[in-house]
Amino acid sequence: GAVVSQHPSRVICKSGTSVKIECRSLDFQATTMFWYRQFPKQSLMLMATSNEGSKATYEQGVEKDKFLINHASLTLSTLTVTSAHPEDSSFYICSARYSPGTSSYNEQFFGPGTRLTVL
Amino acid sequence: AQSVTQPDIHITVSEGASLELRCNYSYGATPYLFWYVQSPGQGLQLLLKYFSGDTLVQGIKGFEAEFKRSQSSFNLRKPSVHWSDAAEYFCAVVPGVDSWGKLQFGAGTQVVVTP
Repeated sequence: GAVVSQHPSRVICKSGTSVKIECRSLDFQATTMFWYRQFPKQSLMLMATSNEGSKATYEQGVEKDKFLINHASLTLSTLTVTSAHPEDSSFYICSARYSPGTSSYNEQFFGPGTRLTVL
Repeated sequence: AQSVTQPDIHITVSEGASLELRCNYSYGATPYLFWYVQSPGQGLQLLLKYFSGDTLVQGIKGFEAEFKRSQSSFNLRKPSVHWSDAAEYFCAVVPGVDSWGKLQFGAGTQVVVTP
């Protein structure tokens, strides 16, 4: 099946610094990737939709200036948490949409997630 | 408001016993329905999905789910659980074709399997 990787798997940073998380589709091209945030014992919340070659679309309530998304190629999207604060500590998960042929349904494949801890 | 509800936060089941995880949705029309499993260190994996047609859907790893329109439910079942089924399970929906890709997840159900 299609594989999506994330790097790093864990990161600890100081408050006020910026952290970049990478999401890669390893064996397929993804014109669309998604970024989710998961709090402990809670569900995944969609943060934004990342489209290759265009600006990301953010969900309501998500600060686009804090969570910068760049989808520079068909296999890579990055999420940068700028000026991180302890409340940004969370589990960030990306997914990539696999669009083979003319299928009307494009399954998402998920990365393993990145645990961000801001001290 | 549109929502996905998984009433059970945590379920403990004995190995070999049957398992049923509940999922209810609240949407104006029948959404597209999914069940995912999340294991530590691994990405969410799709177990099965329902778009239309036969309301009993077969998935991977011996799981099945039944869509019941009258109850707005999409419950996941497995006749005999294995220790490797211990994980977090998420029900998810896509409200419609206009929202393709915008999965909305339930809160999840943690499944613990005892010997």
